[in-house]
Amino acid sequence: GQSLEQPSEVTAVEGAIVQINCTYQTSGFYGLSWYQQHDGGAPTFLSYNGLDGLEETGRFSSFLSRSDSYGYLLLQELQMKDSASYFCAVRRGSNYQLIWGAGTKLIIKP
Amino acid sequence: DVKVTQSSRYLVKRTGEKVFLECVQDMDHENMFWYRQDPGLGLRLIYFSYDVKMKEKGDIPEGYSVSREKKERFSLILESASTNQTSMYLCASSLFQGAPAGYGYTFGSGTRLTVV
Repeated sequence: GQSLEQPSEVTAVEGAIVQINCTYQTSGFYGLSWYQQHDGGAPTFLSYNGLDGLEETGRFSSFLSRSDSYGYLLLQELQMKDSASYFCAVRRGSNYQLIWGAGTKLIIKP
Repeated sequence: DVKVTQSSRYLVKRTGEKVFLECVQDMDHENMFWYRQDPGLGLRLIYFSYDVKMKEKGDIPEGYSVSREKKERFSLILESASTNQTSMYLCASSLFQGAPAGYGYTFGSGTRLTVV
């Protein structure tokens, strides 16, 4: 089957760095995306990796290793507003459907 | 600046009622999706549409139907609401099928439906 696994919860301290991992098992691979969702809010698109390596967008970076079926989201200089759930998602096929992980709740302590 | 609008933020319906959830996008996107989100289960795809009057079943279509008469509007219909359909419903849109995969989805704010 097709599935994505990510930790259910991660705790970190304000100002620190945190990494949220995602491993996937899919038939065919068309890229790994990350979304952020605050409580009561809509998911918002953060980043996309189609090829191996690191993509950086400000304080957020995302990494992909296709040979390991693994990716991670790296958040630096954590701020309280980064407290949210983070979802990884893999494109299912050419029709651009996404398969979603169950989400990682990031808790940030002062 | 609102891109995807869902008609209701909160909705309470009775078991057996027919329920309509409306979604409108103003970005001229080809693809539109309906998901439900439940704690610990992530987002599960109910139906999607890649063109007007076109629809395809997602992973959990049972008990639901959809309508897309205009490009900008995608409606989710619960034919006969049941308590196990109590959930957060999220509508999303994305560019056409062949668009570079780096273009993400744009989501609406969600409709929290309670069936009593």
